[in-house]
Amino acid sequence: DTAVSQTPKYLVTQMGNDKSIKCEQNLGHDTMYWYKQDSKKFLKIMFSYNNKELIINETVPNRFSPKSPDKAHLNLHINSLELGDSAVYFCASSQAGQQYFGPGTRLTVT
Amino acid sequence: EDKVVQSPLSLVVHEGDTVTLNCSYEVTNFRSLLWYKQEKKAPTFLFMLTSSGIEKKSGRLSSILDKKELFSILNITATQTGDSAIYLCAVGELQGAQKLVFGQGTRLTINP
Repeated sequence: DTAVSQTPKYLVTQMGNDKSIKCEQNLGHDTMYWYKQDSKKFLKIMFSYNNKELIINETVPNRFSPKSPDKAHLNLHINSLELGDSAVYFCASSQAGQQYFGPGTRLTVT
Repeated sequence: EDKVVQSPLSLVVHEGDTVTLNCSYEVTNFRSLLWYKQEKKAPTFLFMLTSSGIEKKSGRLSSILDKKELFSILNITATQTGDSAIYLCAVGELQGAQKLVFGQGTRLTINP
């Protein structure tokens, strides 16, 4: 009965490739997020969707495109991957201010 | 620019010691302050604070918020090796949805 799940957990790919990370939450929350955690463990918000509508879009390269097919899912597609995209990407969902995080996807770009 | 600063960045203590972790912030539309514990994977929620001066407590952990001085502390008493983790402070801003601005974290190591 995982609350927020992400796939894949690990992703190793070469520069220039396009990849997607999927996120699903079964908590019935209206709001979902994508965060990036760099090698220094600094967590930074990328996007937020509320009921399938984009609400927060931080300064993120256009190569990153979120998609929310329904309010339980928020996927992240990354085009033309670069070395600097290597990080752990966390999905989260929230209701009433408290955010619940998924297990993370460790992306390594070689 | 919104900012959340945690101190110390790293702390090593012995089992049984008491520790205090600090978080100061400057954000425009403050809504709440949250503490998370991150071990190997996802951050797990500890506390959410919205009002000044009201201590939240869960077992050996407690936290309090000062909205006038713009800081919060997280106390852990009688520390155990299982408390070793990165502790993250985040401030929630209201921007349509709640946006969390995270500090850089405090890496706490408890030695037996």
